[in-house]
Amino acid sequence: GNSVTQMEGPVTLSEEAFLTINCTYTATGYPSLFWYVQYPGEGLQLLLKATKADDKGSNKGFEATYRKETTSFHLEKGSVQVSDSAVYFCALSGNLLGGGYQKVTFGIGTKLQVIP
Amino acid sequence: AAGVIQSPRHLIKEKRETATLKCYPIPRHDTVYWYQQGPGQDPQFLISFYEKMQSDKGSIPDRFSAQQFSDYHSELNMSSLELGDSALYFCASSPNRDSYGYTFGSGTRLTVV
Repeated sequence: GNSVTQMEGPVTLSEEAFLTINCTYTATGYPSLFWYVQYPGEGLQLLLKATKADDKGSNKGFEATYRKETTSFHLEKGSVQVSDSAVYFCALSGNLLGGGYQKVTFGIGTKLQVIP
Repeated sequence: AAGVIQSPRHLIKEKRETATLKCYPIPRHDTVYWYQQGPGQDPQFLISFYEKMQSDKGSIPDRFSAQQFSDYHSELNMSSLELGDSALYFCASSPNRDSYGYTFGSGTRLTVV
């Protein structure tokens, strides 16, 4: 079955530090990959996505590249801010041949704390 | 832009009571998903509906049931509530056959006491 493995947190960084949160996946076929962010007390928000190999998703300074050869989708940001403090979930959605809906499978989430 | 609406935002119930959670998807989204997120845990898939029919089932207890109505809104019914059912329940919707990421609602926080 599909699964997502991401680094456990919490990750604590100083403001303007470089961020990497590792994510690897196991899936059949050609899944779509996502990063969701959950701010304290709020719901899940889609941060970025990539739907095929070598695609790079980006949003709000965050980036992740779909690496099929290493089955990875690591999240990076060059300079984090205090407002980036949240829990980040790596996720995948399997693509059925010919299209079709697939539930999203989430990783365990990585809590990021950015200190001034 | 319209988002996924969930109600209520917070709900407190006693053990063995019944709860009903509602989800209103984005207009023209015909697929609805329910997730349960325990404290400090990742969201776990419960059940999904496509065009008012159950399309997939995850780790949903037999005490729970759900359905999608003709207007595409969905309700999650939870009976014989247990303390362990206390969690954040998310609903998400997506357009037909779109696997490019769902839109989640803000969730219903259920506390069973």
